[in-house]
Amino acid sequence: SQQGEEDPQALSIQEGENATMNCSYKTSINNLQWYRQNSGRGLVHLILIRSNEREKHSGRLRVTLDTSKKSSSLLITASRAADTASYFCATTSLRGGTSYGKLTFGQGTILTVHP
Amino acid sequence: SQTIHQWPATLVQPVGSPLSLECTVEGTSNPNLYWYRQAAGRGLQLLFYSVGIGQISSEVPQNLSASRPQDRQFILSSKKLLLSDSGFYLCAWSSGSSYNSPLHFGNGTRLTVT
Repeated sequence: SQQGEEDPQALSIQEGENATMNCSYKTSINNLQWYRQNSGRGLVHLILIRSNEREKHSGRLRVTLDTSKKSSSLLITASRAADTASYFCATTSLRGGTSYGKLTFGQGTILTVHP
Repeated sequence: SQTIHQWPATLVQPVGSPLSLECTVEGTSNPNLYWYRQAAGRGLQLLFYSVGIGQISSEVPQNLSASRPQDRQFILSSKKLLLSDSGFYLCAWSSGSSYNSPLHFGNGTRLTVT
């Protein structure tokens, strides 16, 4: 089963509103990353938060991490129609002990922003 | 700057035919390379990863194989395609130096097995 599970599966909002997506995971992690995927395209890395960080910002993006609850949230403020895409969380597990970032992805949240 | 190229963009193949998808990375050395498959626009499943030339690890048993003949070239192959091999295949690379390196994806190949 997937390590990360996003909630909700789909989110529909109006331009200018904020969009919040949540991600839960099961095992201890090294870091958690959020990616965006436009329809039919590859994924684009948005932001990475390490296990010892609680909050991180990048432009209109705000990511929080609660390792005690094994959960993260992605907030997109003042959304735009161009933000319409699928958003995925992905984790690197502490298990394995290798130097490469082998990511486990969740099922994603489909965000639709209406103009 | 680093770039990743993946081709073809779309492919329609009959059941039982062979497959070869190629991915190349430019602008970096000794990258970690990955093949993922995405079904129905949802989550990604890691198929193979490689930390160096000739070093391939498989995550799930399947009808596919991967090879890394050169440092920045990663190939996904099959001798005989199955209907269940249909999907969206994504190649990605990351820096080999840190747990905290993000993945950089190609634009994917849409494979339809008929």
